[in-house]
Amino acid sequence: ILNVEQSPQSLHVQEGDSTNFTCSFPSSNFYALHWYRWETAKSPEALFVMTLNGDEKKKGRISATLNTKEGYSYLYIKGSQPEDSATYLCAFNTPNAGKSTFGDGTTLTVKP
Amino acid sequence: GAGVSQSPRYKVAKRGQDVALRCDPISGHVSLFWYQQALGQGPEFLTYFQNEAQLDKSGLPSDRFFAERPEGSVSTLKIQRTQQEDSAVYLCASSLAVAGANSPLHFGNGTRLTVT
Repeated sequence: ILNVEQSPQSLHVQEGDSTNFTCSFPSSNFYALHWYRWETAKSPEALFVMTLNGDEKKKGRISATLNTKEGYSYLYIKGSQPEDSATYLCAFNTPNAGKSTFGDGTTLTVKP
Repeated sequence: GAGVSQSPRYKVAKRGQDVALRCDPISGHVSLFWYQQALGQGPEFLTYFQNEAQLDKSGLPSDRFFAERPEGSVSTLKIQRTQQEDSAVYLCASSLAVAGANSPLHFGNGTRLTVT
């Protein structure tokens, strides 16, 4: 059984704050790490696919880093806005396996 | 349509009833996945299709759960003799790539099943 853990479980920040959260995954047998954003009443939306140790990806104010040797990825949000409020999920893939193993998510609430 | 479509959005079933949940993936997407999401948890893998072939059904919790994708497009997840523990959101996702591992999943809005 693959263990993918996310922390913290929930986070409340003020508009304008920068924040980050963590996804931990097995350091062996790594193939890809995905980040998704899931807003209430919508479907999960892909943010990043990361495959190489040391990868850094950026989309607007959101960025992510990957450390496959120690088995973690960080997601950073700079200058949080209320529209960033969502649950952020990470998902881990091993080689030759179609399925992704998801963490339980970090729920971010940004207060105006 | 442009995205993954699931129906119904909500389903209330009495314990013991059979239900069928439908997923219409993005046209041309080879891979199709079903996930089950309980409240407060992340999506849990149920099963995976590559075209019409069901390559992995290791996540189906019991033999009451059955999925098919007969023509490699629309998929149906069937749950027989529903139990209260089946109450969850059932998410369908499709992916362009064969393996799906390096290609992001495109999710539908899910079907929320409540078993009373």
